[in-house]
Amino acid sequence: DIQMTQSPSSLSASVGDRVTITCQASQDISNHLNWYQQKPGKAPKLLIYDASNLETGVPSRFSGSGSGTDFSFTIRSLQPEDFATYYCQQFDNLPPTFGGGTKVEIK
Amino acid sequence: QVQLQESGPGLVKPSQTLSLTCTVSGGSISSSYYWNWIRQHPGKGLEWIGYIYYSGSTYYNPSLKSRVTMSVDTSKNQFSLKLKSVTAADTAVYYCARDSGGSSRDFIDWGQGTLVTVSS
Repeated sequence: DIQMTQSPSSLSASVGDRVTITCQASQDISNHLNWYQQKPGKAPKLLIYDASNLETGVPSRFSGSGSGTDFSFTIRSLQPEDFATYYCQQFDNLPPTFGGGTKVEIK
Repeated sequence: QVQLQESGPGLVKPSQTLSLTCTVSGGSISSSYYWNWIRQHPGKGLEWIGYIYYSGSTYYNPSLKSRVTMSVDTSKNQFSLKLKSVTAADTAVYYCARDSGGSSRDFIDWGQGTLVTVSS
């Protein structure tokens, strides 16, 4: 299985901050990477697909980049509703695998 | 957007079989998508269990393959998961999800999730 290493595992930030999360794959996955947001008690929500494409309806303050083994996810100006846990997920090889998650908390 | 809803027992005894059903509404299960099961252990990350296509073809996570069976009922617009010989390590929130089809495992639509506890 392809291992996905996300960092940091948690971070504290303030409203308006720029936040960046990284995800590293254990092998080349091209751009076959997605990013999800999960709030407590809810299912994950797809935000970014194919490393950099914004899912329909997702605010433009979210963005993703990268290819190969190194990827990043950025929230340009953190909003109160963005406090959640974020996961990366690869689909280059079966089985799809997820990163360990990054919990974004209020400073 | 398709709606998905998981159903099934919330408590299963060790060594028994966990059985869940996902009912799809707002779209046909007989479409060019794959129907997935994903679980999340309490306070932990996400683990993909497997998928099924409306034709009945499946792919299971090798880590669970020996214990997993998925099936589809197109007449009811439902697909199901069976996980046999469960232990406490199978306690998790189980989600069903639709992906975008083809070779892309983009999990676009999700059920709300159902907590299954394995305990005597």
